[in-house]
Amino acid sequence: DQQVKQNSPSLSVQEGRISILNCDYTNSMFDYFLWYKKYPAEGPTFLISISSIKDKNEDGRFTVFLNKSAKHLSLHIVPSQPGDSAVYFCAASPYSGGGADGLTFGKGTHLIIQP
Amino acid sequence: DADVTQTPRNRITKTGKRIMLECSQTKGHDRMYWYRQDPGLGLRLIYYSFDVKDINKGEISDGYSVSRQAQAKFSLSLESAIPNQTALYFCATSDPNEKLFFGSGTQLSVL
Repeated sequence: DQQVKQNSPSLSVQEGRISILNCDYTNSMFDYFLWYKKYPAEGPTFLISISSIKDKNEDGRFTVFLNKSAKHLSLHIVPSQPGDSAVYFCAASPYSGGGADGLTFGKGTHLIIQP
Repeated sequence: DADVTQTPRNRITKTGKRIMLECSQTKGHDRMYWYRQDPGLGLRLIYYSFDVKDINKGEISDGYSVSRQAQAKFSLSLESAIPNQTALYFCATSDPNEKLFFGSGTQLSVL
């Protein structure tokens, strides 16, 4: 059973607009959430994270929102740029600082920024 | 130079063959991981190691083995490759947290 779900395999957004990538989880023990970004022929790279004690974390154009009651998080990219075209993975862990062995990844969303 | 280097980048092999994928890192991290990515399935953990003497199975370890030769080196072996092991394999390292640093991947095809 999938514990981390990214229900949109792909998303197309016009350059300059807001991109919103969604992630749902089922395990109430998840306490720490991360987003990774992956370009073709490269490994994923860490983008942004959020702990369950917060509902928002911001880093430049990237903001992650967490709604614990709904078991939902979202990644907002504003404004979207062509270089943001990539696959985005949501990941969740039951503890922060415990190591990546507890990470569960979603299937990924392919974001395409249209010029 | 890359912090996490995987070799080879691409490999085609036949069913039943033994194959080894190698990984080395210069980040000085104790923790190393092997993941597998299949289309539409995201990243799944095969094995991980918290130090040279500590090897642990991940979610999908069957059919795989690993060796941690040194702090910087962690290799993944397929003793007898089968077609459903065709996938993109990633090695990664981390600090004692969840922030992973990935290699560029090895695309393995088993015919």
